[in-house]
Formats: sequence, structure tokens, C-alpha cells
Amino acid sequence: QKEVEQNSGPLSVPEGAIASLNCTYSDRGSQSFFWYRQYSGKSPELIMSIYSNGDKEDGRFTAQLNKASQYVSLLIRDSQPSDSATYLCAVNGNSGGSNYKLTFGKGTLLTMNP
Amino acid sequence: DAGITQSPRHKVTETGTPVTLRCHQTENHRYMYWYRQDPGHGLRLIHYSYGVKDTDKGEVSDGYSVSRSKTEDFLLTLESATSSQTSVYFCAISEAGSNTGELFFGEGSRLTVL
Repeated sequence: QKEVEQNSGPLSVPEGAIASLNCTYSDRGSQSFFWYRQYSGKSPELIMSIYSNGDKEDGRFTAQLNKASQYVSLLIRDSQPSDSATYLCAVNGNSGGSNYKLTFGKGTLLTMNP
Repeated sequence: DAGITQSPRHKVTETGTPVTLRCHQTENHRYMYWYRQDPGHGLRLIHYSYGVKDTDKGEVSDGYSVSRSKTEDFLLTLESATSSQTSVYFCAISEAGSNTGELFFGEGSRLTVL
């Protein structure tokens, strides 16, 4: 059974600070990794994808992947009230038939301190 | 925004009745998915489709069936609804190729089974 683990939170950070969200996964053969953001009562939306070890930056967001440690993280710089949401980590399976099925973590709720 | 429409958006039904949820896309994406989202469980894959008339089971497929007779439509059927199927159901689509994990979600269908 493939598993994706996230701290459920809530994670509370001051406005303007860096929010750090973490995710671990069990399938060592996983190839692709994603972060989705979900506002309360809304559908998930993709904010970052990462496919190789290291960092990937997109605006205020940075995704970090360490396949050896089976760990992926999301950093949000200059946190803003609009960042308050649940962040879902998702992992693709190995190639050979399961690479289009995502396994999602249960999500981390991020809230801002004014 | 990706063109995905789910219907109905809200439905209340009674135990034992059949229910069909419809997902319609205008993006011509190959892959379509049905997820359910429940507190404490996160997003779980019910069924998915990798082409017209090509479908397969996800991790929580018992009690559900699907059909895809056209590229744009993916139907989820609960043959005999039970209270445990009360949930929010999300349809998602993705393109073929290396970015199949980049899902676009519909707005969700909230189903209540009394």
C-alpha cells in the first residue's frame, strides 16, 4: 500500500514569514511529486510539480525533493493571508501502468497569524 | 481554468437508491478520474479512465461503477447508495505523457445519503 504522510496541522505562521510544509512517501520508486492547494469548500488546484532531486522555484513557492530520504517539501516565502489553505502532497507511482494514478496525503492546514 | 463540469453539484438521496454523477470536460484530455474526499481520509481514487471505454479501479472502488462512452464524459454510478458513500466527489482530468500527475479538478459534487 503506497502511503503519503503529512502533518495535519494546523500550521500557524506569522504573515510575512516562511511556511514550511513537509511530506514523506513510502514507494521508493515514485517518480513525480506534486503540491496542491485547497481552499475551504473548493476543489484542489495544482501549485507545484517536481520530478528530480533538488529545488524548484516558482514565485514565492519552492518545492524541494530528496528521493534518497523519500521526502518532499514546500516552502512559501512572504506568507500572505491568501496562503491560508490546506496543502495536499501527491505522489505518482512507478512507471509501467501506475504512473498516472496519484496517491494523496491527507493535507496540512496552513493558517496565518496577523 | 480547465473546462470541467460536474453535475449535480449537490444531491440528497436515500439509502438503496441509484445515483449517477456526471463529469464533462471540454479539454480533450485522455485521462479522467473520480476521487472522493472525506475528513480524516483525504482524497482517495475511486476509478479512473485512460481512454474511451478504458477504465480501471482505484483504491476505494467497491460499490461504484464507471463508464466512459465519449472522450468528454465520465460517469460515476452508485448502484445502491449507502450512508458510507456520503462524501464530496471530485472529477479530475489530466493529459497523457509525463505530466499525467498534473490534475485539473472539477468543482465537486456533494452527495448526502440518508
